[in-house]
Amino acid sequence: RKEVEQDPGPFNVPEGATVAFNCTYSNSASQSFFWYRQDCRKEPKLLMSVYSSGNEDGRFTAQLNRASQYISLLIRDSKLSDSATYLCVVNRANQGGKLIFGQGTELSVKP
Amino acid sequence: EAGVVQSPRYKIIEKKQPVAFWCNPISGHNTLYWYRQNLGQGPELLIRYENEEAVDDSQLPKDRFSAERLKGVDSTLKIQPAELGDSAVYLCASSSREDTQYFGPGTRLTVL
Repeated sequence: RKEVEQDPGPFNVPEGATVAFNCTYSNSASQSFFWYRQDCRKEPKLLMSVYSSGNEDGRFTAQLNRASQYISLLIRDSKLSDSATYLCVVNRANQGGKLIFGQGTELSVKP
Repeated sequence: EAGVVQSPRYKIIEKKQPVAFWCNPISGHNTLYWYRQNLGQGPELLIRYENEEAVDDSQLPKDRFSAERLKGVDSTLKIQPAELGDSAVYLCASSSREDTQYFGPGTRLTVL
């Protein structure tokens, strides 16, 4: 079993739809949590950090449930430009910034 | 501010040949990472440097892979000899201590 697992994709949604991505992690010592975005043939870029209290950035909402070891990302009012692969990422405690990536979930937003 | 620079962007070689990738991190970033990303997967850490010291190389296949970061700035990752299974994107990232990691554009390696 992989340490970070995400919903298998791809997700194909129309513009304006709301889409949710789920992620689970197996290492209870994981300390920090992130969502990265990766466009086709580009490098991953930090989308947002995920906090226990939940956090929102415009149309994007991230939530963390430490008890269930579960992370989610909600995108409201999807835009064509949201099409990308979304990577769930955890940072192991006491391992100096070592990021563990999920396999990614591809999102395609159609007109 | 310039981002992480990597070269070459693409490399095609035959198996058993050597190959090297170069990375220039963001100015002032002490921590440098090399990741490998296989098709359809997330990046996996190969090695992490704090300045010129390799502090985590547990995932680096040491029989054929080597890396160096002389003077704690630029870094080179080498594969010798390359195998078919080494075809992947090699990503370099840098950060200031344990802050956000910024990735370079990667080197796409194809081994024939």
